[in-house]
Amino acid sequence: QSVLTQPPSASGTPGQRVTISCSGSSSNIGGNTVNWYQQLPGTAPKLLIYSSNQRPSGVPDRFSGSKSGTSASLAISGLQSEDEADYYCAAWDDSLKGALFGGGTKLTVL
Amino acid sequence: EVQLLESGGGLVQPGGSLRLSCAASKFTFGTYAMSWVRQAPGKGLEWVSAITDSGGKTFYADSVRGRFTISRDNSKTTLYLQMTSLVAEDTAIYYCAKDGPLLTINPGADFEYWGLGTLVTVSS
Repeated sequence: QSVLTQPPSASGTPGQRVTISCSGSSSNIGGNTVNWYQQLPGTAPKLLIYSSNQRPSGVPDRFSGSKSGTSASLAISGLQSEDEADYYCAAWDDSLKGALFGGGTKLTVL
Repeated sequence: EVQLLESGGGLVQPGGSLRLSCAASKFTFGTYAMSWVRQAPGKGLEWVSAITDSGGKTFYADSVRGRFTISRDNSKTTLYLQMTSLVAEDTAIYYCAKDGPLLTINPGADFEYWGLGTLVTVSS
């Protein structure tokens, strides 16, 4: 069981906006930034959002991140079929002195 | 483009050992913290271990502490993971990951680049 809690699944239709939540505690999300990863089937994860709300070069601005207290969210607007993937949140935990991943959310584009 | 190439995976018996390597190129290796992240078949991502840019500090997940050792050779731009006392639960794809984009003193959970991974199977 992950310390960072994500819903196991999410879905939306093309063009819609979907959000994925990530809940933690004061020792991880509450005190550190949150990162989001996209993993397409059979491939390595890709950094989507870092420092809670920053996009690496090349990531479309359809993807955005936010953080409030001990929770964070990933929003995907203008949903596209190629967005169908697993999404993971991650944060450093000061108590464990290690990185934590959420359990992952499988996004289905209907 | 940054390149990370893992090697050393394979089939090993329970209780056995294995050393993974990650050859890095196209970036200033000795400037960034590095990590290992694994993914068991059909499961989510699990952070395993991290090491600071100089190698002076190391960090481990509880599940591997005392059994795995992370190290790096900045002159060879290579990251290592020595795994001992392997158990079936260690079966996974092991990814090498470069911290970033921000340059920080300590490791974090921001992994800017990932290798393709190497599969470790622990089975008799």
